[in-house]
Amino acid sequence: AQSVTQPDIHITVSEGASLELRCNYSYGATPYLFWYVQSPGQGLQLLLKYFSGDTLVQGIKGFEAEFKRSQSSFNLRKPSVHWSDAAEYFCAVGAPSGDYKLSFGAGTTVTVRA
Amino acid sequence: AAGVIQSPRHLIKEKRETATLKCYPIPRHDTVYWYQQGPGQDPQFLISFYEKMQSDKGSIPDRFSAQQFSDYHSELNMSSLELGDSALYFCASRTGTGLSGANVLTFGAGSRLTVL
Repeated sequence: AQSVTQPDIHITVSEGASLELRCNYSYGATPYLFWYVQSPGQGLQLLLKYFSGDTLVQGIKGFEAEFKRSQSSFNLRKPSVHWSDAAEYFCAVGAPSGDYKLSFGAGTTVTVRA
Repeated sequence: AAGVIQSPRHLIKEKRETATLKCYPIPRHDTVYWYQQGPGQDPQFLISFYEKMQSDKGSIPDRFSAQQFSDYHSELNMSSLELGDSALYFCASRTGTGLSGANVLTFGAGSRLTVL
């Protein structure tokens, strides 16, 4: 069975500082990998995805993520955080064939301080 | 661009009542997924439909049922509501089955159900 671990429940970062959110997955093969962001009371917005190819993936809002097969990780990064980046971030995995339901990590809440 | 539309956005019900949530997928999307996100929890897959047929089933209680209609919209029916059913219910849609670069789940804003 596939599973996703986000080790950090809550991260506080200063505006303008860099941000890295960790994601580790457990799966028999390389799954499809996603990062979603959820602002308070809002739905899930896709930030970026990895299916294959270049292991450094660029997403929206200045986010990027790097797939590392050897570490079973797909960490999300942003060089300079804006106050509007305060939200909850979910890493998710999907099976690379057929079964499309996503398994989500528990989420990481990001607080941005001025 | 058109998004996934969910209604109602907020719903308050008493225990043992019934609730129905609706989901209107993006035009030409034929696959719909329902997820439940409890307070402080990650979204959990409930059920999915492809071309009006149930395609997969997750941790959906027997008190819940769902279907997809000929126009591809879907409804999640919840009966004998319990306090623990209070959650944010997401619908997501995509085209076809299997994953490809273009077939990514697009989520609606969610329907927040509160059971008192």
